[in-house]
Amino acid sequence: DAGITQSPRHKVTETGTPVTLRCHQTENHRYMYWYRQDPGHGLRLIHYSYGVKDTDKGEVSDGYSVSRSKTEDFLLTLESATSSQTSVYFCATKGGQPSYEQYFGPGTRLTVT
Amino acid sequence: SQQGEEDPQALSIQEGENATMNCSYKTSINNLQWYRQNSGRGLVHLILIRSNEREKHSGRLRVTLDTSKKSSSLLITASRAADTASYFCATGPLSYNQGGKLIFGQGTELSVKP
Repeated sequence: DAGITQSPRHKVTETGTPVTLRCHQTENHRYMYWYRQDPGHGLRLIHYSYGVKDTDKGEVSDGYSVSRSKTEDFLLTLESATSSQTSVYFCATKGGQPSYEQYFGPGTRLTVT
Repeated sequence: SQQGEEDPQALSIQEGENATMNCSYKTSINNLQWYRQNSGRGLVHLILIRSNEREKHSGRLRVTLDTSKKSSSLLITASRAADTASYFCATGPLSYNQGGKLIFGQGTELSVKP
């Protein structure tokens, strides 16, 4: 999985609790992304980062926030988890120009009860 | 908003046969990529084709791109049981300044039976 780790790999949490997922990369890639994968929807972009402290929203950002204080770490926070946020979350990275391909972590399976 | 639509959603073939998956998209693109996902794992990049290319090969993979029809196809020749996975197309925006964001299709589940 190209030097990308995600933690935790599995988590069960209750509705209304905050949850933070961590992505760590050793590739020194500039860009980092958080996706969620749901049956029938493929992968949808939640937030992405184009540098330390530089982040932007993706397609499905409501209810999520991110932070990137170091090149290697990108955190995804569910401010108050809801059952609709039960999903598999993937982190991905990409090098700077001129590369286009993304490298994915192993995923975190999150269940909100 | 889903950019890519993949067809078929599921495909079951015998080892040794060829597998063809199709992807259609809606807006102009810089490039189109194909990824593979084995069950319970992250996606792995397979091949990228730029908008000014029509065909590209990598080992047993052949990708075609028709920008006039906004469609692409992935052909896996002489398939093996190990090719069993989900395959996703993803399109890259025209401008690199859009953060390299990709829009993924919903994927094709390929099952290769020994």
